[in-house]
Amino acid sequence: AQSVAQPEDQVNVAEGNPLTVKCTYSVSGNPYLFWYVQYPNRGLQFLLKYITGDNLVKGSYGFEAEFNKSQTSFHLKKPSALVSDSALYFCAVRHSGYSSASKIIFGSGTRLSIRP
Amino acid sequence: ETGVTQTPRHLVMGMTNKKSLKCEQHLGHNAMYWYKQSAKKPLELMFVYNFKEQTENNSVPSRFSPECPNSSHLFLHLHTLQPEDSALYLCASSQDGRPEQYFGPGTRLTVT
Repeated sequence: AQSVAQPEDQVNVAEGNPLTVKCTYSVSGNPYLFWYVQYPNRGLQFLLKYITGDNLVKGSYGFEAEFNKSQTSFHLKKPSALVSDSALYFCAVRHSGYSSASKIIFGSGTRLSIRP
Repeated sequence: ETGVTQTPRHLVMGMTNKKSLKCEQHLGHNAMYWYKQSAKKPLELMFVYNFKEQTENNSVPSRFSPECPNSSHLFLHLHTLQPEDSALYLCASSQDGRPEQYFGPGTRLTVT
């Protein structure tokens, strides 16, 4: 069975500091991994994905994530946080062997708060 | 977000009402999804359609009835809902060969 864990309900960071939002996953075989962001009263917005290749993937708004197979983790990072990064972040996983219409399993979300 | 649109954005309905949520994707995708997002709960997948055919029904009560007339449009027909059905209902779409999904802004549903 597939599962995703986001161990932190909330992460607080000062503007300008680096940020990390943690994610670990469980899936049989090779995973497809994703990060999404949700701003208030909006839908989820796709940030980045890992399919194969380089373990460090870069996405929108200066975010990046590092795939670590041995630790089954896919942490989201940004070198310098902005107040506008404050939002709800979701990690998600899918088995690579399914069709493109297969379901993605989402984590419970981490609320990122950037203080000025 | 303009790639996937949802109407209405807000809906208040009584338990005896019948209403429908509409989703339209302008991205040329072939798969569409309905999700339910409740406070303090993970995102719940409800239905999946691929090339207009329903490929997944995630044990959703029959008071929710999906309809997918073509690859660009998806409806969720609602009848005799319960207060616990109040949530944000999100529509998403994806393209064959690409695993990421693109979401609409959601419909905030309140059942009174």
